[in-house]
Amino acid sequence: DTEVTQTPKHLVMGMTNKKSLKCEQHMGHRAMYWYKQKAKKPPELMFVYSYEKLSINESVPSRFSPECPNSSLLNLHLHALQPEDSALYLCASSRGQGATEAFFGQGTRLTVV
Amino acid sequence: GEDVEQSLFLSVREGDSSVINCTYTDSSSTYLYWYKQEPGAGLQLLTYIFSNMDMKQDQRLTVLLNKKDKHLSLRIADTQTGDSAIYFCAERDNQGGKLIFGQGTELSVKP
Repeated sequence: DTEVTQTPKHLVMGMTNKKSLKCEQHMGHRAMYWYKQKAKKPPELMFVYSYEKLSINESVPSRFSPECPNSSLLNLHLHALQPEDSALYLCASSRGQGATEAFFGQGTRLTVV
Repeated sequence: GEDVEQSLFLSVREGDSSVINCTYTDSSSTYLYWYKQEPGAGLQLLTYIFSNMDMKQDQRLTVLLNKKDKHLSLRIADTQTGDSAIYFCAERDNQGGKLIFGQGTELSVKP
């Protein structure tokens, strides 16, 4: 099983809303990642969690707030987003932060109106 | 800094071989990857190659690595319409496990 599950698949939110994206894996992986992908562009790393601790923050604005409540779950809390934040948000996991293989979820398509 | 480059488009006929090329800059990369992304979907890990190898074959996929020229290629034999997708080459940053992706090559397979 190499499945990373993301919910919801699609999300439309207003600029004053608060919402959360969820990511779950049951492969026993201890590193989890959030990537952002704009249309026709490659994914760009936002955050890395290793053993439930934030390891890398790629200078992401504070309106994006990650949380790793346990080793299987990764959340991304969204608040006061801008229309330019509309994108596909991808979660990934790997056995460890330096592990060879990283597996991606199907993504959440976010539209900010 | 690291940089990964790919051509943006490739069009082939069904049954032909496809070759997608990639160049990278970080000579210390230990692993190089190929991911596939179908429309509206996430990224699927297709294959990867360790930097001390020069070739890896997995069914219809052949990866060639020229470390001297920092050139990576993915050959898909007997390309099918289901292979139509965007293919991303990626290298891994050894300092944090971060994947650095190329711009992606959109492969179009015509019947």
